Amino acid sequence: DQQVKQNSPSLSVQEGRISILNCDYTNSMFDYFLWYKKYPAEGPTFLISISSIKDKNEDGRFTVFLNKSAKHLSLHIVPSQPGDSAVYFCAQNFGNEKLTFGTGTRLTIIP
Amino acid sequence: DADVTQTPRNRITKTGKRIMLECSQTKGHDRMYWYRQDPGLGLRLIYYSFDVKDINKGEISDGYSVSRQAQAKFSLSLESAIPNQTALYFCATSDPWGGPRRNEQFFGPGTRLTVL
Repeated sequence: DQQVKQNSPSLSVQEGRISILNCDYTNSMFDYFLWYKKYPAEGPTFLISISSIKDKNEDGRFTVFLNKSAKHLSLHIVPSQPGDSAVYFCAQNFGNEKLTFGTGTRLTIIP
Repeated sequence: DADVTQTPRNRITKTGKRIMLECSQTKGHDRMYWYRQDPGLGLRLIYYSFDVKDINKGEISDGYSVSRQAQAKFSLSLESAIPNQTALYFCATSDPWGGPRRNEQFFGPGTRLTVL
């Protein structure tokens, strides 16, 4: 079973506040995860990743947390900016660089 | 700048027509992928190729075929298009020797295909 789930199709956050996007997975054999960001009329672009040897990875305003026991990861954006409005996909690497993507969460930052 | 390009960007066609979507990359990556995106379903893998002589089916390959003409080119064909193939199609590349970035895929801008 290779499922990656993003249970929130959309999320609205006030500018300057924290945005938290969640992702759950079922197969723990491959613990490498990536977050992609997608603007309309563009392809997804890589944002941040995390491997199972870490619980947290940080890059500027973006932090990804991995909870292996709960099979859950989350992306935190602090502070949220209008340019962060996009669709965010989490993805799991199943080896051979094959990725399984979640269904995406549309984040809207309210000015 | 090294890039992944897709042509056409938009296409409207009729049921039963043969359609080819093309992908080119200047990244020098060996691995290439085709995905489709449907509302509420995320991106699903159609086919992937790890080098010119290697073609593999993804999770939704029925109704599609591919051709890897060169390291830089990977085409997706719909032999007889049907309306439920209306979707956004993305090509992607990756570099297995890319060090810390070896798990990352680089996407083209997408092709919006409408089958009437």
